[in-house]
This record gives sequence, structure tokens and C-alpha cells, in this order.
Amino acid sequence: AQSVTQLGSHVSVSEGALVLLRCNYSSSVPPYLFWYVQYPNQGLQLLLKYTSAATLVKGINGFEAEFKKSETSFHLTKPSAHMSDAAEYFCAVRNNQGGKLIFGQGTELSVKP
Amino acid sequence: GAVVSQHPSWVICKSGTSVKIECRSLDFQATTMFWYRQFPKQSLMLMATSNEGSKATYEQGVEKDKFLINHASLTLSTLTVTSAHPEDSSFYICSATTGGWSEAFFGQGTRLTVV
Repeated sequence: AQSVTQLGSHVSVSEGALVLLRCNYSSSVPPYLFWYVQYPNQGLQLLLKYTSAATLVKGINGFEAEFKKSETSFHLTKPSAHMSDAAEYFCAVRNNQGGKLIFGQGTELSVKP
Repeated sequence: GAVVSQHPSWVICKSGTSVKIECRSLDFQATTMFWYRQFPKQSLMLMATSNEGSKATYEQGVEKDKFLINHASLTLSTLTVTSAHPEDSSFYICSATTGGWSEAFFGQGTRLTVV
């Protein structure tokens, strides 16, 4: 069975500081991994995805994530946080049967001025 | 990216009534649509997977007679919450794909409040 675990339900950073949101996955086959962002009372927006090409994936809004097979990780980073980055972030793995997404528990990012 | 439109964005209904939520893919043909439920401060819980022209596949623990899903065309899927009760109050989100390993695009969600 495939799964993802997000470490830390809440992360708080200062504006301009590094953002690091952690995601570890479990999969018996090469995974397809995703990061989504959700603003209050809205749907999910895709930030980036890993589909077995380059291990360092660049996404929108300055975010990037690195796939590390040895660590079974897919952490999301951004060099400098903006106030507008405050939101809920979800890591997800694509199920290899049927293609449905399996989501992590989510991490709420707060950005302090 | 492709656009998925969900309607209504919020709805308040009386206990015992039924509510229909629509999910439309505006600029692509969605062979597969997914319906999720999200409680406050929690992750998305998959309710069911629907493929155009066939019956939906429900996740374990989801009542198929209560949450009716129809996917009659390649651009529209509907979720009907029948005989709604306050415990059905939640945020419902749909997503759509063209099938296989293609990217999933999400609707903006529907906030359902049952009073």
C-alpha cells in the first residue's frame, strides 16, 4: 500500500526565511508524488509534481522539491517566504491502481511579518 | 492548467432535504472524476471514483445510497447528498482527470451546511 506522511501539522516561519515542509512516502513501486496548496475555503492547486524524471522539481511561486529515494522523502522548500504563502500544504502520492491520489495529513504554514 | 468548476461554492439546507453538487471540466474531457470530503483542519478523504458512463466506485465506509454520484458525460459529474443531516456538513471537493496517469485538476470546493 502507498502512503505519505507529513511531519509537522503546523510550521511557522518569518517573512523572508526558508520554508521547509517535510513529506515522506511509502511505496513498493516508483511513486508519482505531488505537492498541493490550499487556501481557506478553496480547492487544491498543484505546486509541483515528480514523475520519475529529474529528482529536483521546480514548481510555481518559487517552490521546489527534491525526490530522494534513499530517504523516501519529497520535501518542499522555498528560499524566502512571502506572506501570501500562508496556506495549507498537502503532499500526495498517486495510487498505482486506479490513479487516485493519497494525501498526507497536511501542514499549515504560517508566515510572520 | 485545465479548469474544473464546482457549483455551488456554498449551500445551506434543512435537515432531511437533498443537495446536488456539480463538478464540470470546462476545457477538457474528464473520463475520471474523484469526490473528496474534508473536515476542518483535516486532510482530504476520498469518497468515490467515478468513470464516465459507469457506476461509481465507493471507498470503504462511504454510504453509496446516501452519496449518489452520477457521471453521465465527459464533462459533468454530480454528487447528491440525500436526506442530509447536520453530520453531513463538510467541505466537498471534486477533481477530474483525463484518465490513466494524467494530472488531476481540482474544483474550488463546496461548503455544505445542514441545519
